[in-house]
Amino acid sequence: EAGVAQSPRYKIIEKRQSVAFWCNPISGHATLYWYQQILGQGPKLLIQFQNNGVVDDSQLPKDRFSAERLKGVDSTLKIQPAKLEDSAVYLCASSLDDPNEKLFFGSGTQLSVL
Amino acid sequence: DAKTTQPNSMESNEEEPVHLPCNHSTISGTDYIHWYRQLPSQGPEYVIHGLTSNVNNRMASLAIAEDRKSSTLILHRATLRDAAVYYCILRDFTGTASKLTFGTGTRLQVTL
Repeated sequence: EAGVAQSPRYKIIEKRQSVAFWCNPISGHATLYWYQQILGQGPKLLIQFQNNGVVDDSQLPKDRFSAERLKGVDSTLKIQPAKLEDSAVYLCASSLDDPNEKLFFGSGTQLSVL
Repeated sequence: DAKTTQPNSMESNEEEPVHLPCNHSTISGTDYIHWYRQLPSQGPEYVIHGLTSNVNNRMASLAIAEDRKSSTLILHRATLRDAAVYYCILRDFTGTASKLTFGTGTRLQVTL
């Protein structure tokens, strides 16, 4: 079974630039999550989609972060403009449409903002 | 979300059993106990979950206290590949927006 695919694996940008991350979830998984993991901390949920609708985006900094999941499959997460404190690993996860199903995570995109 | 408390770090010798504790005194009746682990440079991976009864799978065992205020993840024979950060998470199984809220976890070191 193919896992959750993310790209790019690494990204280095300067502050105030924009960046986008892409995620392809496991086929058939209705729920998709984006997490931010700052070095030394546990992952923090940014946004959760169920199919192409947003279920929870309470911790998404909406002044600079945006995410979409067109057609309920792939998703992109964008940061514009980036700040130094956005340096982190951005993890995408997906699960079946059940509140207790396990999440499958991708390997993440490591973002460095200089 | 109800919170969990875990030790920051633990050490184990290879081939020895490891007991990773988790306290969750404010757990509600609709919370499942989930464990995930994160190996270096990888995303978290599911380990096990349970509600009231002890659970076993090929990776680990989960022992849940009778009052459900604590639980223990048991790795029966630790290997070097089990060195990771282990997260204990409470997940409300009601409703449609069930999310996973991670804490800082326990960093497990395994030595020869």
